Amino acid sequence: DAKTTQPNSMESNEEEPVHLPCNHSTISGTDYIHWYRQLPSQGPEYVIHGLTSNVNNRMASLAIAEDRKSSTLILHRATLRDAAVYYCILRDVGRGGSEKLVFGKGTKLTVNP
Amino acid sequence: DSGVTQTPKHLITATGQRVTLRCSPRSGDLSVYWYQQSLDQGLQFLIQYYNGEERAKGNILERFSAQQFPDLHSELNLSSLELGDSALYFCASSPRTPHGEQYFGPGTRLTVT
Repeated sequence: DAKTTQPNSMESNEEEPVHLPCNHSTISGTDYIHWYRQLPSQGPEYVIHGLTSNVNNRMASLAIAEDRKSSTLILHRATLRDAAVYYCILRDVGRGGSEKLVFGKGTKLTVNP
Repeated sequence: DSGVTQTPKHLITATGQRVTLRCSPRSGDLSVYWYQQSLDQGLQFLIQYYNGEERAKGNILERFSAQQFPDLHSELNLSSLELGDSALYFCASSPRTPHGEQYFGPGTRLTVT
């Protein structure tokens, strides 16, 4: 499984934007970039995914580098409810690709009031 | 609320015992996944079922088994329990899309004493 690298922790202030980086230098052409987050005492929650183009949804934006070796999850205005561990995961949906999610250690985001 | 339900929420049992964890996927989702989250190993994929058939296997011990029934609910059976099996067990389901985002249940916290 292709590997991702994320900072162990990050801090932000409430109502400020947060940029969570992820490096995935060994990404292959059929790997989708997925982001999940896990709030305290809850199961992981799907946030967003993308392949090549930047993506937006109601929760966040995903900015993907042109060479696809890195990506950034953007929370436009952090709230206290966004405090969670954020996981960047590569999923190969090509032929023979595994559907499992391989979780790393993720980035623990702390949001200060 | 992800739409995935898991029962029971908490389970306390003794070493050597056997337990069954139950999962109901979101309506219409054919794939069910099981994950284990422990403090030292993080979130690890155990097994996937698709429409009643085993699709993929991860780091699942031989003492553990799972099945998916015709109504698509799934059960994870853990036997000869050891202290190290104490963990959170999450079930997830996904729709049949190429990128297959997964929706996680609230988990079952298993404590083996």
